[in-house]
Amino acid sequence: AQKVTQAQTEISVVEKEDVTLDCVYETRDTTYYLFWYKQPPSGELVFLIRRNSFDEQNEISGRYSWNFQKSTSSFNFTITASQVVDSAVYFCALSGDFGNEKLTFGTGTRLTIIP
Amino acid sequence: KAGVTQTPRYLIKTRGQQVTLSCSPISGHRSVSWYQQTPGQGLQFLFEYFSETQRNKGNFPGRFSGRQFSNSRSEMNVSTLELGDSALYLCASSPLAGPAYEQYFGPGTRLTVT
Repeated sequence: AQKVTQAQTEISVVEKEDVTLDCVYETRDTTYYLFWYKQPPSGELVFLIRRNSFDEQNEISGRYSWNFQKSTSSFNFTITASQVVDSAVYFCALSGDFGNEKLTFGTGTRLTIIP
Repeated sequence: KAGVTQTPRYLIKTRGQQVTLSCSPISGHRSVSWYQQTPGQGLQFLFEYFSETQRNKGNFPGRFSGRQFSNSRSEMNVSTLELGDSALYLCASSPLAGPAYEQYFGPGTRLTVT
């Protein structure tokens, strides 16, 4: 069975600080996909990134960066110079190979940026 | 392009009733998935439809059902509502089926069962 663990339930940081959200996953599939979604108070899940299991390159998009490490089964998300608008619940998710394609979400990390 | 739309946005029902929720995917998207979000269970996959066929199904009782129409619009139905069915129901669409495609979510329908 697939599993995604986000051990950090809630994080609060002061604006402009950097913050890292942890994600650890479990799967037996060789081919799988990892995702991060943001859920602002409005409730709509916003897609942030998708990574496949064969691409371990880290990615940077503006203030956001992602660190994928297969050796530790982790896919961590870092926000640099946080802003109040980053306050939201962030979900890490996993989708596997044929037969395991459904998206499995972690329990989410509620991030609060304090002005 | 317009995003995923869901109707209604809010719904209050009584135990034992049934409810139908609607989802219109992004134009051109042919895959629609449904999720239930509750404080206790988090985000859970309900089912996925592609070309009017159910491709995958989560671990929910048979009271939860869905369908997809030829224009890719989808509906989900919950019969004999229970208090525990109170949740945010999210619909997501993607261009094609399968994990390689990111899903775009709608704003959700918040269902309250009293």
